[in-house]
Amino acid sequence: GIQVEQSPPDLILQEGANSTLRCNFSDSVNNLQWFHQNPWGQLINLFYIPSGTKQNGRLSATTVATERYSLLYISSSQTTDSGVYFCAVYTGTASKLTFGTGTRLQVTL
Amino acid sequence: NAGVTQTPKFRILKIGQSMTLQCTQDMNHNYMYWYRQDPGMGLKLIYYSVGAGITDKGEVPNGYNVSRSTTEDFPLRLELAAPSQTSVYFCASSAGGAFSPLHFGNGTRLTVT
Repeated sequence: GIQVEQSPPDLILQEGANSTLRCNFSDSVNNLQWFHQNPWGQLINLFYIPSGTKQNGRLSATTVATERYSLLYISSSQTTDSGVYFCAVYTGTASKLTFGTGTRLQVTL
Repeated sequence: NAGVTQTPKFRILKIGQSMTLQCTQDMNHNYMYWYRQDPGMGLKLIYYSVGAGITDKGEVPNGYNVSRSTTEDFPLRLELAAPSQTSVYFCASSAGGAFSPLHFGNGTRLTVT
């Protein structure tokens, strides 16, 4: 099956810093989604982004499907950005998402 | 704005017991999913459904069963609980499978001792 790898696995930032999280996938995909799992365990859908660039406040995401990667940008990070960020992909005709390994982000004061 | 609702939030089972994790959504979504997340790990798909009366296995279906008699409900049944089933279970739904965002419930934390 498809492999979905995220980097870096862990990231510590000071509040106000910017960061880029990467998601690489091993096969062509129908679409890609980014999720944030907060410290209480809730999973929030950030972006549905099969290709191109989208922005939502301080967050933006870019997917280059032909080169099999996606990037999540976090600008002016805040402590509430802490948690784990997952990318997930749909492949072929399957109606199911395959999740990446996650990036654990800690934002400190 | 209920979205996807899971019950219970927490449960402790003894080895060999059975239980049903409940999941209901009020968004009229056809697609529903069950994932498990082991400590410090990503999510693995257990079962999914593309509509009432239709279910299919995911990556890790052994030890679980599902049914989908209505659009709203997608219960997950654990038979003969084992310590390896200690995990956090998430239910999710989407309107159009691969072509729409996935929405998660808040999870059920299950411990089997």
